Amino acid sequence: SQTIHQWPATLVQPVGSPLSLECTVEGTSNPNLYWYRQAAGRGLQLLFYSVGIGQISSEVPQNLSASRPQDRQFILSSKKLLLSDSGFYLCAWSVRRIGHGYTFGSGTRLTVV
Amino acid sequence: DQQVKQNSPSLSVQEGRISILNCDYTNSMFDYFLWYKKYPAEGPTFLISISSIKDKNEDGRFTVFLNKSAKHLSLHIVPSQPGDSAVYFCAARGNSGNTPLVFGKGTRLSVIA
Repeated sequence: SQTIHQWPATLVQPVGSPLSLECTVEGTSNPNLYWYRQAAGRGLQLLFYSVGIGQISSEVPQNLSASRPQDRQFILSSKKLLLSDSGFYLCAWSVRRIGHGYTFGSGTRLTVV
Repeated sequence: DQQVKQNSPSLSVQEGRISILNCDYTNSMFDYFLWYKKYPAEGPTFLISISSIKDKNEDGRFTVFLNKSAKHLSLHIVPSQPGDSAVYFCAARGNSGNTPLVFGKGTRLSVIA
C-alpha cells in the first residue's frame, strides 16, 4: 500500500534562518507531488507541484523553493525565512489519472519567530 | 481570483440533523470535484467526489450534489455525528490528470451533541 511521510511535525525557526521540509512517498512510482500551505483564514494554497524528477511548477512567487531530487522525494526549502512563512505545510501525492484525488501527509506546523 | 469559494467559514449543527456544506466555482473547465475533511494538526483526508457527468454521488451518510448550470455543489451529511466536526474543503480540477486541485478556504463544521 502507498504511504506518504512528511517531517518534521513541528518546527520553530527564527527569522532569516533556512528551511528544509522533506516528503517521501512509498508504494508507488512516478507520482505527482504537491506542496500546499494552510495559513489562517486562507484555506489550502498550492505552492509547488511536480510531475517528474527535476520538474517543478511554482504557483505562487514567494520566499520558498522546491526540489524533486528523486522520483518519490519532494523537498520544500527557503534560504531565509520570513515571519509570513509561518503556517501548516502539507505534502500530497496523486496518480496521473483523471478521477483520483490526493493523499496528504500529516503536515508540518512551522512557526517563524 | 478565487476559483473555488466556500462562503460559510463555519457551521453548527445538532447531532442527528443534516449538515449542508456549500461550494461555488467559477471555472467552467472544472469537471471533477472532491470534498476533503481535515482535523486539527492533521492532513486532509478524501471524503467523496463527483464527476461533472453526474449530479449526485452518495456514500453512506455523505452525499454530494452538483448543479453545473449554477456552478454549485453541496455536501450533505445525514445524520450528523460529533465525530464529523472538522474543517471541510471543497476542491475542483480540470480535465487533465496533471492539473492540480484548486481548494476552497474551508468550512468548519461543529456538530453539537
